[in-house]
Amino acid sequence: GAVVSQHPSWVICKSGTSVKIECRSLDFQATTMFWYRQFPKQSLMLMATSNEGSKATYEQGVEKDKFLINHASLTLSTLTVTSAHPEDSSFYICSAKRGQGNTIYFGEGSWLTVV
Amino acid sequence: GESVGLHLPTLSVQEGDNSIINCAYSNSASDYFIWYKQESGKGPQFIIDIRSNMDKRQGQRVTVLLNKTVKHLSLQIAATQPGDSAVYFCAERSGGSYIPTFGRGTSLIVHP
Repeated sequence: GAVVSQHPSWVICKSGTSVKIECRSLDFQATTMFWYRQFPKQSLMLMATSNEGSKATYEQGVEKDKFLINHASLTLSTLTVTSAHPEDSSFYICSAKRGQGNTIYFGEGSWLTVV
Repeated sequence: GESVGLHLPTLSVQEGDNSIINCAYSNSASDYFIWYKQESGKGPQFIIDIRSNMDKRQGQRVTVLLNKTVKHLSLQIAATQPGDSAVYFCAERSGGSYIPTFGRGTSLIVHP
């Protein structure tokens, strides 16, 4: 089956620094990728939709200057959390849409802890 | 706004029992529903889906039932195993959108 990989699986960074999380579709081309955020014991919240070669579409309330999304190729999207603060600590999950189909495949998630 | 929700946040069952996880949705335009399983510290895993023109779909040990009249969705897991312990989310899509909207989630705990 289709595989979506995230890296790193977990990261600890200091407050005020920036951290980048990568999302790769390993065996298919993903024209569209999605970034979610999940707090403990809560549901997934869609942050933004990332389209290859164009600007990401952010959900209401998500700061685009804080959560920079780049989708430079058909297999890679990156999420950069800029000037991270402890409240940005969360589980970040990406997913990818395969071609023309409706199936969406999820990555394993990345834990971010800001200290 | 319209949302997808769940009745029970936690469900505890004994190994071997059947489990039923419920989900209520409010968007009458929803035409595609998905159940995901999320194990601790991992991303969601697709379990089964159903389109709005169906009322039942079966997979391996799982069955999804859809009642559009009352906007209710359920996931039935037969002969529940400890490995089934996880959080289960229902999600819905509507209007041709391929972006799923997730419900709150139910934590299933299976006791050996």
